Amino acid sequence: GQNIDQPTEMTATEGAIVQINCTYQTSGFNGLFWYQQHAGEAPTFLSYNVLDGLEEKGRFSSFLSRSKGYSYLLLKELQMKDSASYLCAVRAPTTDSWGKLQFGAGTQVVVTP
Amino acid sequence: DTGVSQDPRHKITKRGQNVTFRCDPISEHNRLYWYRQTLGQGPEFLTYFQNEAQLEKSRLLSDRFSAERPKGSFSTLEIQRTEQGDSAMYLCASSLGGDKYFGPGTRLTVT
Repeated sequence: GQNIDQPTEMTATEGAIVQINCTYQTSGFNGLFWYQQHAGEAPTFLSYNVLDGLEEKGRFSSFLSRSKGYSYLLLKELQMKDSASYLCAVRAPTTDSWGKLQFGAGTQVVVTP
Repeated sequence: DTGVSQDPRHKITKRGQNVTFRCDPISEHNRLYWYRQTLGQGPEFLTYFQNEAQLEKSRLLSDRFSAERPKGSFSTLEIQRTEQGDSAMYLCASSLGGDKYFGPGTRLTVT
């Protein structure tokens, strides 16, 4: 079957670091995306990994291990505005389903003062 | 360019009524996707267009749902005979083969 798992909620203190894990079992793989979604708003793109390793973009980093079906999003120097849901999504192969995304349920990150 | 836009942002309708939503993608983006998102869940794929051709429909898209993209630009999603289970956020996204950009969504409430 197809499955994308991530924790439901995480709480961290302002200025701290939080790591959100995502494991996936899908019938095909053409990249893994992380999106941020504030309540009532659209998802906004954070990062993309298609090869194994770490991608760093400012305070956000994302890691991928294709052999383990595992990714994580690392948020550093947490700010109050980082309180949001973080969605892990796997992209289907373009030869199959034209790049549609399969999303996890999201991890709600709560940043406390 | 102002990004992906959707109209209306909110829609409240009574069960059994028909509703239509519109999505205007980022200009020149040839791919357009519709997703549905319920509270506490990630978005679920509904359908996909490459230019004006509808290339894939999810099993989630019952025969009460229809989507069009007549000129390969804007798209409409119609739900006929709405049911309470249709209450959700309907998200449109567009891309030019790479990153997907989502619109603000249309929140549908069926009473």
